[in-house]
Amino acid sequence: RKEVEQDPGPFNVPEGATVAFNCTYSNSASQSFFWYRQDCRKEPKLLMSVYSSGNEDGRFTAQLNRASQYISLLIRDSKLSDSATYLCVVGGGYQKVTFGTGTKLQVIP
Amino acid sequence: DADVTQTPRNRITKTGKRIMLECSQTKGHDRMYWYRQDPGLGLRLIYYSFDVKDINKGEISDGYSVSRQAQAKFSLSLESAIPNQTALYFCATSERPDTDTQYFGPGTRLTVL
Repeated sequence: RKEVEQDPGPFNVPEGATVAFNCTYSNSASQSFFWYRQDCRKEPKLLMSVYSSGNEDGRFTAQLNRASQYISLLIRDSKLSDSATYLCVVGGGYQKVTFGTGTKLQVIP
Repeated sequence: DADVTQTPRNRITKTGKRIMLECSQTKGHDRMYWYRQDPGLGLRLIYYSFDVKDINKGEISDGYSVSRQAQAKFSLSLESAIPNQTALYFCATSERPDTDTQYFGPGTRLTVL
C-alpha cells in the first residue's frame, strides 16, 4: 500500500460546480497534512494546511479524518483558473514528508 | 526576484556525462531538499540538508550526490547520467522539517539520451 494515495483523475467539472478530492494515508502517526497545487510543468505551491478541526480559505475547505486516515479538499464554485493538479502531502515525523501523486482537475467552460 | 532559483532550467545530455544542477535561495532557510518528479510517481526525495554540515539521503539517492556549499546553495550532481534519470527536478526549502511549508524552485527539466 502506498503511503499516500490519491485518485489521479482527471476530474472534469463545469464552471461553478463543487468538486471534492480525497487522499488516504497509511501512517497513523502522521502529524501534518497539506494540499499543494501544481500547474502543468510548474513547481508545487502550498494551497493550504489541513488542521484537525478543518479549515476554510475562501472557496476551499480542507478536512482531516484521523480515524479513517484521510484528508479531503472541497472546492466550491469552480473557476477555470482552478484547473491544476492537487497534491496531497503528509508529514509523518522528523523530516519525513510524503507527496501523493496528485489529482488532476479540469474545469470546463 | 524568485526566492528559490534553479539552474539550468532545461538540460539535455548524453548517457555517461556528469551533470550538476544548482539551487540558490534567498529565504534564509536552513533546510533544503532535492526531489525528482516522474509521471505517475509523484515527487520523490533524493537528498536533504538541515544545514551546511548536515546532508541526508532520501528515498532514491543512488546515482546522485549533493553539495551544500553555503546556507543558500545546494547542488545536485549526477556523476554518470543514465536515461532513467530523465525527470523534472525540484529544489525546495523549509524553515522546519514537516510542520512548515516547503517552497519550491521552478524546476529543472533534465533529459538523458
